[in-house]
Amino acid sequence: DAKTTQPNSMESNEEEPVHLPCNHSTISGTDYIHWYRQLPSQGPEYVIHGLTSNVNNRMASLAIAEDRKSSTLILHRATLRDAAVYYCIPETMGGTSYGKLTFGQGTILTVHP
Amino acid sequence: DTEVTQTPKHLVMGMTNKKSLKCEQHMGHRAMYWYKQKAKKPPELMFVYSYEKLSINESVPSRFSPECPNSSLLNLHLHALQPEDSALYLCASSQDGEILLFGPGTRLLVL
Repeated sequence: DAKTTQPNSMESNEEEPVHLPCNHSTISGTDYIHWYRQLPSQGPEYVIHGLTSNVNNRMASLAIAEDRKSSTLILHRATLRDAAVYYCIPETMGGTSYGKLTFGQGTILTVHP
Repeated sequence: DTEVTQTPKHLVMGMTNKKSLKCEQHMGHRAMYWYKQKAKKPPELMFVYSYEKLSINESVPSRFSPECPNSSLLNLHLHALQPEDSALYLCASSQDGEILLFGPGTRLLVL
C-alpha cells in the first residue's frame, strides 16, 4: 500500500475555495487516487477518484501532479456541510484487491461561517 | 433503493453475549465489506466478500465471524468480545470494486 501524508487539519471560511493536499510518493503505476470524506457520526462518503488526468464531478475537483506523487482535492466553494475528515487513498481497486481501501489519518477540515 | 442499511444503530453487549450485526443493500452490488473504526481513528478493513464468498480476511480474531447468506445481506456475528472491541462497525458495498458505498455504522459498546 502506498503511504500518504496529509495535513492533520485545515480551516476554511464558508464560500471560499479549499485545497486539500496529499503526498503519495510511493504510489504504484496501477493505483488510482481516491478521496473519501467522513462527516461527524456518519460512514465515509466517496468524493472523487482519478488515475492521471485531473477530474471533476459535482462535489469536487481532483488535481493530480504530473509525476503522480501528489494530488490536491479542490472544493470550489466550501459550505458548513463540507466540514469532515478527508481521506486520500492511493489504491489499485477491482481485480484481486477487490475494494481493499486502506484509510490513513486524513485531514480534519473545519469550515467557519 | 440506493443506500446501505445497518442494524442495529447502537448495541451494548457483555463479554459473554452473542450478538449479530446486519447489513443490507438492494443495489445488486457484488462486493460487501466490514470495517471497524475506533474513536478518532480511521476505518480499518476487516473482511471483504466478493460474489458471496469471503475474499479478504485481514487477520481478524475468530470472535468476529462474518456471514454472507445472499447477495444482499451481510452479517457479522460477535461472540466473547472484549471491551477493546468497542467501536463503530461500518458496512460497505460496491458494484465494481472501485467505489465503495458505506452505511451509517453500528456503534458497539462491550462491557
